[in-house]
Amino acid sequence: DGGITQSPKYLFRKEGQNVTLSCEQNLNHDAMYWYRQDPGQGLRLIYYSQIVNDFQKGDIAEGYSVSREKKESFPLTVTSAQKNPTAFYLCASTPEGTGELFFGEGSRLTVL
Amino acid sequence: QKEVEQNSGPLSVPEGAIASLNCTYSDRVSQSFFWYRQYSGKSPELIMSIYSNGDKEDGRFTAQLNKASQYVSLLIRDSQPSDSATYLCAVNPVTGGGNKLTFGTGTQLKVEL
Repeated sequence: DGGITQSPKYLFRKEGQNVTLSCEQNLNHDAMYWYRQDPGQGLRLIYYSQIVNDFQKGDIAEGYSVSREKKESFPLTVTSAQKNPTAFYLCASTPEGTGELFFGEGSRLTVL
Repeated sequence: QKEVEQNSGPLSVPEGAIASLNCTYSDRVSQSFFWYRQYSGKSPELIMSIYSNGDKEDGRFTAQLNKASQYVSLLIRDSQPSDSATYLCAVNPVTGGGNKLTFGTGTQLKVEL
């Protein structure tokens, strides 16, 4: 079945560690996105990529990094520079020409 | 600062009633509008998109857009307990390139038996 797969679903990290969240899609969508959601808040855009080997910062990119080496994959690294990384991270993709986001199941990161 | 405003709720309606969810946005040039449903602990799922003024119906859901008033709403007819969720309004500001949706904080809907 077509969809977006995020892993891991739950992740615990010690302060000072980098972690990488995986996002893979088989929908053949060109554009992919990473959002962060905190309790009681809306989704905030971290990074997005419209084509392979190209990506742009969103509203809250500081402390995060991404790569887009393949159309299907858009991993997000949460670095130790991110001051408050505990959050629900959502990967999404869109078909060309629309703004209709399709989301993965999310990854919940907790910093201990 | 582009903003999307929603009443956080909770909005409580009895089963079978019409639920009305509202959203206002600040960027007048916005062209695309979306409603997502998010169950607790889950990821959002798209339920409606609307691009032009007026109403758009899909089953029990109706999206209404008024660009002059910068207002978009979602009506849910014959509300069911399974409709209990948080509803996120999202707006595509168009400017800046890409489909960079701006989300509201969501309205929690509770459908009571």
